[in-house]
Amino acid sequence: AQTVTQSQPEMSVQEAETVTLSCTYDTSESNYYLFWYKQPPSRQMILVIRQEAYKQQNATENRFSVNFQKAAKSFSLKISDSQLGDTAMYFCAFMKHGPGGTSYGKLTFGQGTILTVHP
Amino acid sequence: NAGVTQTPKFQVLKTGQSMTLQCAQDMNHEYMSWYRQDPGMGLRLIHYSVGAGITDQGEVPNGYNVSRSTTEDFPLRLLSAAPSQTSVYFCASSGRGNYGYTFGSGTRLTVV
Repeated sequence: AQTVTQSQPEMSVQEAETVTLSCTYDTSESNYYLFWYKQPPSRQMILVIRQEAYKQQNATENRFSVNFQKAAKSFSLKISDSQLGDTAMYFCAFMKHGPGGTSYGKLTFGQGTILTVHP
Repeated sequence: NAGVTQTPKFQVLKTGQSMTLQCAQDMNHEYMSWYRQDPGMGLRLIHYSVGAGITDQGEVPNGYNVSRSTTEDFPLRLLSAAPSQTSVYFCASSGRGNYGYTFGSGTRLTVV
């Protein structure tokens, strides 16, 4: 079974600054995806970024980027130029997949990190 | 394009009552899942389906039933509600070639 650990229950950052959220995972699988989801106060779960484990290049989506360290089983999220709208709970998630990338349909989530962006 | 639609958004049940949480998606996604979210525990998988007629248990299946008679719908049934089932419930779906799940807006359930 996989486990995902987010060791920072809460983080805060000033607007326009950079913040990094940590995530570690434990698995014996070779083929998997990693995700970061954002949950603002509206409760909606929003996909922020996705990383395929076989890719060495770190994923980037605008102000969001990851530092994927496969050997260390670490998957941190960096938010640059933080904005007030980034205030939310952030979840790291793991999903194994089969040959050809076929999903097994199961996400394993970390406990979440509450990020507050201050003006 | 509605995405994933969950109903109701809020519900209060008495202990022992039964109810069904509805989930429908209009994206022709093969994979559908139910999660519950509790403080400090993230989201935990209850049941999931990889296609119509195929379901399987997740991490916390006790007290819940599911069925998948169509690609679009994946209802979650609480057989006899207990206070421990007080939680926020999310339905999610994904296509075979799309590895990012789309979530519904959630149902806040309180069992008294």
